[in-house]
Amino acid sequence: AQTVTQSQPEMSVQEAETVTLSCTYDTSESDYYLFWYKQPPSRQMILVIRQEAYKQQNATENRFSVNFQKAAKSFSLKISDSQLGDAAMYFCAYRSANTGNQFYFGTGTSLTVIP
Amino acid sequence: DTAVSQTPKYLVTQMGNDKSIKCEQNLGHDTMYWYKQDSKKFLKIMFSYNNKELIINETVPNRFSPKSPDKAHLNLHINSLELGDSAVYFCASSQAGPGREQYFGPGTRLTVT
Repeated sequence: AQTVTQSQPEMSVQEAETVTLSCTYDTSESDYYLFWYKQPPSRQMILVIRQEAYKQQNATENRFSVNFQKAAKSFSLKISDSQLGDAAMYFCAYRSANTGNQFYFGTGTSLTVIP
Repeated sequence: DTAVSQTPKYLVTQMGNDKSIKCEQNLGHDTMYWYKQDSKKFLKIMFSYNNKELIINETVPNRFSPKSPDKAHLNLHINSLELGDSAVYFCASSQAGPGREQYFGPGTRLTVT
């Protein structure tokens, strides 16, 4: 089974600064999809950004962007101009393009935004 | 309009009881999931149904039984509740096919006393 590793259980960032959350994964597949989900204190899971493995271009969504390094199996999330509302748990997730419907989640990174 | 809804959002019950959590999605998705999130926030897949058919059944005690009456519903029934069952349970859905993200319900916080 694929594994997803988030090596930073906790991170903090000053408001308006930039922070990068790390994610690595292990797979033998060449075609797959990667996601970052945000879980604020309300506990609702919200999709932040998605990356297709076949695309070399890094995905961006407003202040959120990824650094996707396929050879290194790395998928980090960069949050620019951090806001208080960005404080949440962030989960990295993997979905195979070939083997069905299962998602594999990392253990999460708790992000604190300091005013 | 709530895309994935769960009821109840909070559930407090005693050990040994039987309880159910209901999930409904109005997105027209083919696949639905149940996850358990423990106190350390780790998300563990429990079950997945595709068009009412069980396709993922991770190592979960058989006290947990999912039921999918139709494509839009996936309920979770738990028998003989134990203290270790206390967690937040999330229902999710996705469209089958590559690249489709999951949409999550608001979660049900289950507390077993």
